[in-house]
Amino acid sequence: NAGVTQTPKFQVLKTGQSMTLQCAQDMNHNSMYWYRQDPGMGLRLIYYSASEGTTDKGEVPNGYNVSRLNKREFSLRLESAAPSQTSVYFCASSRGIPEAFFGQGTRLTVV
Amino acid sequence: LAKTTQPISMDSYEGQEVNITCSHNNIATNDYITWYQQFPSQGPRFIIQGYKTKVTNEVASLFIPADRKSSTLSLPRVSLSDTAVYYCLVGDYGQNFVFGPGTRLSVLP
Repeated sequence: NAGVTQTPKFQVLKTGQSMTLQCAQDMNHNSMYWYRQDPGMGLRLIYYSASEGTTDKGEVPNGYNVSRLNKREFSLRLESAAPSQTSVYFCASSRGIPEAFFGQGTRLTVV
Repeated sequence: LAKTTQPISMDSYEGQEVNITCSHNNIATNDYITWYQQFPSQGPRFIIQGYKTKVTNEVASLFIPADRKSSTLSLPRVSLSDTAVYYCLVGDYGQNFVFGPGTRLSVLP
């Protein structure tokens, strides 16, 4: 049982480049989330998907897009990366509060 | 979503009991209280959840007074491996998970 799997684990981008962060869960959860965590800070919600086919903005959605491809997969896309998007990105899934399961994170550096 | 307030950091020694208190004065009737643990370079991990009174599992205990305006996470006999950030979340089923800055616990030898 893999839980929540994120790819890639590390990525370096140049300013203006685009990329997609992939997330997949095998727990049959309806809800999926993307967070970012800057050094020494808590997690901030970027986008979430309460169920397949729906997505909604979180606290910091600017500069990102998401796709809920199916029940298992929820991707996060950076269309034109900026240094301010250097962060660790976490994907999570849940049946809803209280328990969410998090992936190991993607460490993204934009130079 | 109810706002939570926790200490930014705490220090403890190995073998001691650690209590981390979270204040949530605006908690709603349907809200649950949930605690997560995050080790460096890892995603947060669910520890414990409760609604009222006391909940205990193999990792921690959660104490919630009758007015539910605060809660205390209790970690018995901490070890160096309990050094982590601990987050208190308050919310109802179907809502989003909102993480504050958490409490950075340092366990010293």
